[in-house]
Amino acid sequence: DVKVTQSSRYLVKRTGEKVFLECVQDMDHENMFWYRQDPGLGLRLIYFSYDVKMKEKGDIPEGYSVSREKKERFSLILESASTNQTSMYLCASSLDSNVLEKLFFGSGTQLSVL
Amino acid sequence: DQQVKQNSPSLSVQEGRISILNCDYTNSMFDYFLWYKKYPAEGPTFLISISSIKDKNEDGRFTVFLNKSAKHLSLHIVPSQPGDSAVYFCAANSGKGGGNKLTFGTGTQLKVEL
Repeated sequence: DVKVTQSSRYLVKRTGEKVFLECVQDMDHENMFWYRQDPGLGLRLIYFSYDVKMKEKGDIPEGYSVSREKKERFSLILESASTNQTSMYLCASSLDSNVLEKLFFGSGTQLSVL
Repeated sequence: DQQVKQNSPSLSVQEGRISILNCDYTNSMFDYFLWYKKYPAEGPTFLISISSIKDKNEDGRFTVFLNKSAKHLSLHIVPSQPGDSAVYFCAANSGKGGGNKLTFGTGTQLKVEL
């Protein structure tokens, strides 16, 4: 089975801090994604990557950046955390960009920014 | 602008009866649709999908129906079981240059009661 591991289940940070959320997948998948889940808004795509060192903006990239230096690892960076970035963050991966390829998700990181 | 909408935030069904979860979309470029299920403290997992060239896809107790002219799809679960209690997300992609980047709905919390 594909395993997508997010480094932290819960994080509490202060406003203005730089925050790193880490995600690792173990199935040599090409594509990786970062979503956030908020009540009443569903899952919204922040950034995604189709290859190492490659990144593309999703629907809500403002306030975030990403890094993919190795195929298996995709990091989400909050340069200066704000309270409106309190959310559940979900990482996902897929084998490739084929439209039929399903996404495999990690268990999520609940981030609270105080 | 919510391109994929699930207008019922919650649904309660008796065990053994049919559960019907609905989803509407506005983007006519979407041609591939998926349902994901999410339990608390876990990431979403793929459930079933349908291509726009079909109007029905069945997998065991789960059937997805697509009405392209109405831009509407539904997930039927028969018979419903207590283990089906979860949040269900509808998702879509265009497959035209978008790869498998998914746009998700807001989710419906299904509760199957004994």
